Amino acid sequence: DVKVTQSSRYLVKRTGEKVFLECVQDMDHENMFWYRQDPGLGLRLIYFSYDVKMKEKGDIPEGYSVSREKKERFSLILESASTNQTSMYLCASRPGGSYEQYFGPGTRLTVT
Amino acid sequence: QKEVEQNSGPLSVPEGAIASLNCTYSDRGSQSFFWYRQYSGKSPELIMSIYSNGDKEDGRFTAQLNKASQYVSLLIRDSQPSDSATYLCAVCPPRGNNRLAFGKGNQVVVIP
Repeated sequence: DVKVTQSSRYLVKRTGEKVFLECVQDMDHENMFWYRQDPGLGLRLIYFSYDVKMKEKGDIPEGYSVSREKKERFSLILESASTNQTSMYLCASRPGGSYEQYFGPGTRLTVT
Repeated sequence: QKEVEQNSGPLSVPEGAIASLNCTYSDRGSQSFFWYRQYSGKSPELIMSIYSNGDKEDGRFTAQLNKASQYVSLLIRDSQPSDSATYLCAVCPPRGNNRLAFGKGNQVVVIP
């Protein structure tokens, strides 16, 4: 079974804080993704990575950065958290050559 | 035009009935199609993949793909209360740049 884990299920941070969300997959997948999901807006892609140290902007990268130093780990960084970044954050991974994508359990982030 | 559209509102079905969900996509060259199930407060779970025209059955789930009409459907036979969830359609467009396009989802409520 594919296993994607995220560092926290729930997180509460203050405006202006730097926030790190971690994602780890154990299936040697090349591709990893960060989404946010908000009611009425669906899933929106923030960033993705197709290899170690490689990253591509998604649809809403503003206010976020990412890091992929190891194949199994993909981190999302909120440089200075704002209240409009309160959301469910979902990490996903998939192997090269396949488009079957697997999600982690999600992190519900609240910025106050 | 949105890449992936799921237009139906919440679908209520009695237990034991068939639930039918539809999804249309805009890019005719799309090749890979997926259905995800998402329980409230949880992350999306891949339940079906389909790549060729026609039907694909897996247990009580049947995915139907019609590339000429650019739609993909999901049928849930013998609906159970545990099928109550939001179902997301996902498509890999040919110029998708290694990413999936997701619909906003359809909520299914199975009434005992």
